[in-house]
Amino acid sequence: EVQLVESGGGLVQPGGSLRLSCAASGFTFSNAWMHWVRQAPGKGLVWVSHINSDGSYTSYADSVKGRFTISRDNAKNTVYLQMNSLRAEDTALYYCARDFSYGMAVWGQGTTVTVSS
Amino acid sequence: QTVVTQEPSFSVSPGGTVTLTCGLSSGSVSSSYYPSWHQQTPGQAPRTLIYNTDTRSSGVPDRFSGSILGNKAALTITGAQADDESDYYCVLYMGSGNWVFGGGTKLTVL
Repeated sequence: EVQLVESGGGLVQPGGSLRLSCAASGFTFSNAWMHWVRQAPGKGLVWVSHINSDGSYTSYADSVKGRFTISRDNAKNTVYLQMNSLRAEDTALYYCARDFSYGMAVWGQGTTVTVSS
Repeated sequence: QTVVTQEPSFSVSPGGTVTLTCGLSSGSVSSSYYPSWHQQTPGQAPRTLIYNTDTRSSGVPDRFSGSILGNKAALTITGAQADDESDYYCVLYMGSGNWVFGGGTKLTVL
């Protein structure tokens, strides 16, 4: 069974940092592109970041560029999202998703990030 | 900044057919945007219904279908059921490693 399990969310003060993890199983992780997508409370889905299969190419939404870094460890079947200089508007449920044919194909259950003093 | 447009809300009768659309504020959607569709019920993670315009994800019933209609991507639900009442999101690949979600359509079945 294909599974994605996010972790690492929590409460952080504005300006702080957090690293999210997404552990994958049930598919050949080293062949898969991966995404992070977020959803603010009561709002819609917003694409955040993408990484290709070997980690050599990454991309980011303008709203997080320069503050967030996506990476992966194919030996551990895990993708990460390092979030620095966090703002109140980064408060959201963060999902990781596996890409297939340039779209999200499998989703995790999400991890909640709250940025507040 | 290109905006991906979706109907904010739609209503369908049980057993009826509904088509939700996904467009662009400027230009036309084609299969080159690799449109995908995702269903989300309150408190749940999204579930992928359709990817690459018209390919159903594993386990998705065939009453869900994707297509390009005119200048938009479309998700058609035939024989709507009560548990189809959800939010539906499309996402488009804009190129250069950039994806954009639509604002979502809240579908009511009544």
